[in-house]
Amino acid sequence: EAQVTQNPRYLITVTGKKLTVTCSQNMNHEYMSWYRQDPGLGLRQIYYSMNVEVTDKGDVPEGYKVSRKEKRNFPLILESPSPNQTSLYFCASSRSGGDEAFFGQGTRLTVV
Amino acid sequence: AQTVTQSQPEMSVQEAETVTLSCTYDTSESDYYLFWYKQPPSRQMILVIRQEAYKQQNATENRFSVNFQKAAKSFSLKISDSQLGDAAMYFCAYREPNFGNEKLTFGTGTRLTIIP
Repeated sequence: EAQVTQNPRYLITVTGKKLTVTCSQNMNHEYMSWYRQDPGLGLRQIYYSMNVEVTDKGDVPEGYKVSRKEKRNFPLILESPSPNQTSLYFCASSRSGGDEAFFGQGTRLTVV
Repeated sequence: AQTVTQSQPEMSVQEAETVTLSCTYDTSESDYYLFWYKQPPSRQMILVIRQEAYKQQNATENRFSVNFQKAAKSFSLKISDSQLGDAAMYFCAYREPNFGNEKLTFGTGTRLTIIP
């Protein structure tokens, strides 16, 4: 089954404690991206990757890191989480050229 | 920068009736893609319908159809014969066919309630 898998689905952490949200896709897509969803703001892009070892900033990259060592995996790293990073996070993948994006199940992150 | 506007934060419709969700966008491009995504309480983002800007014909998927007005930069979603399972947050999204950043620009969403 074609899918994007994110883990964990829920996470509560404390300010400053490094965390990683994993994302994996099994569709051999070149393009992967991370979004955060906040009430009244829709989804906003954090980082994206065009292919292995190629990543770049989206609209709201501050406080986040990513890596793309393998085509299927695109983890999101919060080196020192802060309460303003409390949000719902989505990983997405797609082929290039306007095809639909496939989304993971979402990760609800709370930073206290 | 491209922007997507959904001016209806909440909508409600009687079961079996028809409802239209509005979306407008701003772009200087002539070639692009538009999407409607559904987000039920499970949080999963589900593609409802996709429209390519160079196609004049409005996209249709079963009970879901769009009214795409390119000159007016409008992309509304019509849901016919509304069902309880249609209750969700609906997001309109825009993408340019840029072979670099395949970013989706989202609107702020419309929460649709179905009244039994």
